[in-house]
Amino acid sequence: GQQVMQIPQYQHVQEGEDFTTYCNSSTTLSNIQWYKQRPGGHPVFLIQLVKSGEVKKQKRLTFQFGEAKKNSSLHITATQTTDVGTYFCAGLLLGGNTGKLIFGQGTTLQVKP
Amino acid sequence: DTEVTQTPKHLVMGMTNKKSLKCEQHMGHRAMYWYKQSAKKPLELMFVYNFKEQTENNSVPSRFSPECPNSSLLNLHLHALQPEDSALYLCASSHPDTRSNYGYTFGSGTRLTVV
Repeated sequence: GQQVMQIPQYQHVQEGEDFTTYCNSSTTLSNIQWYKQRPGGHPVFLIQLVKSGEVKKQKRLTFQFGEAKKNSSLHITATQTTDVGTYFCAGLLLGGNTGKLIFGQGTTLQVKP
Repeated sequence: DTEVTQTPKHLVMGMTNKKSLKCEQHMGHRAMYWYKQSAKKPLELMFVYNFKEQTENNSVPSRFSPECPNSSLLNLHLHALQPEDSALYLCASSHPDTRSNYGYTFGSGTRLTVV
């Protein structure tokens, strides 16, 4: 079936270091979304990428969508302790009148102060 | 605070019990979803409802029975669950236009433990 793979599963960084998580799909995606889930919380929508090769920035976060629309990355510059959480990519597969969002396994980020 | 409200927040039930999870949203979204989140597993899509009609059942066992009374409410009826069904059950809703840039809005979830 359709799969979205995400690596790494865990990442421990020192505060101030950069962090990147990568997402790959077995099929071409209509769009890709990124979510953040704080410990004990629920996923919160961060951003959506739609166009091939698209790059979007949110302060220290940079999101990229691959040219083939099958991979994506999230890069955080100069991590802070507030960045702690699990980051999920999710690929939207369209079919019929609705799409369905398939989530990657997530990358859990720990930041040491 | 989330605009998708889920109740209860925690639920412990025996394998012979019948219980229901409730989800409500007032954002005017027409699509609603149930996801299961287990430890060390990705979020698993269970059901999709679009304009109150079920459009996706992701091979979910019949001991999980969804119900969508109206476009703002989505219930999940539970019966004869197994311990491996213990997980965080998340409800989400979204704008019907997949081109919108708002993503899914998730509720806080129901932490279910089957004993």
